[in-house]
Amino acid sequence: AQSVTQLDSQVPVFEEAPVELRCNYSSSVSVYLFWYVQYPNQGLQLLLKYLSGSTLVKGINGFEAEFNKSQTSFHLRKPSVHISDTAEYFCAVGSFQKLVFGTGTRLLVSP
Amino acid sequence: DTAVSQTPKYLVTQMGNDKSIKCEQNLGHDTMYWYKQDSKKFLKIMFSYNNKELIINETVPNRFSPKSPDKAHLNLHINSLELGDSAVYFCASSQVGANTGELFFGEGSRLTVL
Repeated sequence: AQSVTQLDSQVPVFEEAPVELRCNYSSSVSVYLFWYVQYPNQGLQLLLKYLSGSTLVKGINGFEAEFNKSQTSFHLRKPSVHISDTAEYFCAVGSFQKLVFGTGTRLLVSP
Repeated sequence: DTAVSQTPKYLVTQMGNDKSIKCEQNLGHDTMYWYKQDSKKFLKIMFSYNNKELIINETVPNRFSPKSPDKAHLNLHINSLELGDSAVYFCASSQVGANTGELFFGEGSRLTVL
């Protein structure tokens, strides 16, 4: 069975500050890892993904994540956030034809 | 053109009614899904279809019946609606084997049962 834990339900941060959203996973098989973003009243959009290879993955909008197998983590980072980054962020772990999502972290960026 | 489109976007109905949500994808994907997002934003898979064939059914009540007339469409019919069915329902699609596991989501259908 696979599961995802997002340790923070909400992360408040000031504009232009760095941010890290934490994600830990458990899986008995090789995994693919994803971060999705959901803006208000919209569907989810892929930010970035780890399938194999380099453990540092770069995504859209300046986000990046690092796959750490020993710590079973896939934390999302951005060096400088904007107001427009305010959204819900979901970490997900997947295998053949199925993704399991975490409970989401609400990123609140204020001026 | 919207890649994954769902209708209706909003649905308000009384308990006991039957309702349907439609989904269409124009990405040429072979797999489609229904996810339910509850009031706490938790996203849970309900069903998955691959080339019109049901492959995942995650202990969803029998009142929920998905139908896939072709691989570009996956509709969700709900009988005898209950208060607890209130949620946002997301349709998604993917192409198994290419960008493995990546899902493309619709904008969601917000169902409110009164």
